[in-house]
Amino acid sequence: EAQVTQNPRYLITVTGKKLTVTCSQNMNHEYMSWYRQDPGLGLRQIYYSMNVEVTDKGDVPEGYKVSRKEKRNFPLILESPSPNQTSLYFCASKNQGVIYEQYFGPGTRLTVT
Amino acid sequence: GIQVEQSPPDLILQEGANSTLRCNFSDSVNNLQWFHQNPWGQLINLFYIPSGTKQNGRLSATTVATERYSLLYISSSQTTDSGVYFCAARQGGSEKLVFGKGMKLTVNP
Repeated sequence: EAQVTQNPRYLITVTGKKLTVTCSQNMNHEYMSWYRQDPGLGLRQIYYSMNVEVTDKGDVPEGYKVSRKEKRNFPLILESPSPNQTSLYFCASKNQGVIYEQYFGPGTRLTVT
Repeated sequence: GIQVEQSPPDLILQEGANSTLRCNFSDSVNNLQWFHQNPWGQLINLFYIPSGTKQNGRLSATTVATERYSLLYISSSQTTDSGVYFCAARQGGSEKLVFGKGMKLTVNP
């Protein structure tokens, strides 16, 4: 089954404790992206990757890091999480090109206390 | 960059009613997607519709790209239609989707 997977699905952590949210897709998509969703704001892009070893900032990159060492994986790293990073996070992937739609993972609900 | 606005922000319906959700975008787009976020937070792709009309069961969508809007129609609504509906647009050479703030639909039995 074609899908985007994320782990963990739920995470409660404390301020300053480094964490990684994994994202993997099995559709051989070049493009991958991370979004965060906050009440009343919709989804906003954090980082994206056009292909292996090619990443760039989205609209709200502060406090996050990413890497793209393999085509299928695009982990999101929070080196020193803070309470304002409490949010619902989505990973997405797609083929390059305007005719293709994005597919989203199931989401990771993160709470930083 | 492009702005995406959705209306109405909230809608409450009785089961069986029809509804129309509107998405306006500020500039020309080459991609428009509609999503349903269920009560568990999952985003479900409903339509990829940069232009024209598509139908899937009780749902249909129309995008009029020249007039910069898209409509999502829900007919004979069911309680399982409840949740938040997002439209998202992409323009130019960017792969980024710009989301509206969402429309919360509540369908009462």
